[in-house]
Amino acid sequence: AQSVTQLGSHVSVSEGALVLLRCNYSSSVPPYLFWYVQYPNQGLQLLLKYTSAATLVKGINGFEAEFKKSETSFHLTKPSAHMSDAAEYFCAVSDPPNTNAGKSTFGDGTTLTVKP
Amino acid sequence: EAEVAQSPRYKITEKSQAVAFWCDPISGHATLYWYRQILGQGPELLVQFQDESVVDDSQLPKDRFSAERLKGVDSTLKIQPAELGDSAMYLCASSSLYNEQFFGPGTRLTVL
Repeated sequence: AQSVTQLGSHVSVSEGALVLLRCNYSSSVPPYLFWYVQYPNQGLQLLLKYTSAATLVKGINGFEAEFKKSETSFHLTKPSAHMSDAAEYFCAVSDPPNTNAGKSTFGDGTTLTVKP
Repeated sequence: EAEVAQSPRYKITEKSQAVAFWCDPISGHATLYWYRQILGQGPELLVQFQDESVVDDSQLPKDRFSAERLKGVDSTLKIQPAELGDSAMYLCASSSLYNEQFFGPGTRLTVL
């Protein structure tokens, strides 16, 4: 069984400050990991993905995440927050293709607020 | 850029009525997902299709929900009868490689 825990349902940072959103996962097989962003009344948009290649993954809008197997973590970071980063962020874990139908499980999300 | 299409974007209905949502995935994507997202929570998988076959519907309330993807392309999710607790965002997604899912804009359902 797979699961995702996002630590902190709300994170608030000042514009220009470091963004750190935490995600820990549990999976019985080597996982695929994803971060998605959701703006109000919209669907989810992929920020970045880890699929067993490089452990440091760079995504869109200046975000990156590091896969740490020993810590079962996949935290999302951005060096300098922008007002437009205010949104809901979801971490997701998936079994590899051809395993358990590639089912994905999402965390409950973290709301990022950016203060001027 | 190819996108997942969903309609309607918003739906208001009264309890005990029937509602239907439509999804057209990105062309060539064999896997299609329907999720329900309650406000303040992450998406919860309702049903997953591989082509026209259901591969996971373990969380679909089958007494009132049904889903089909007859030709392995577009899909319809139906609720009959709708209940107050069904008010949520219904998201459709499709994927090809690496389980990277592309989401549609969703349908916001309000049951009165």
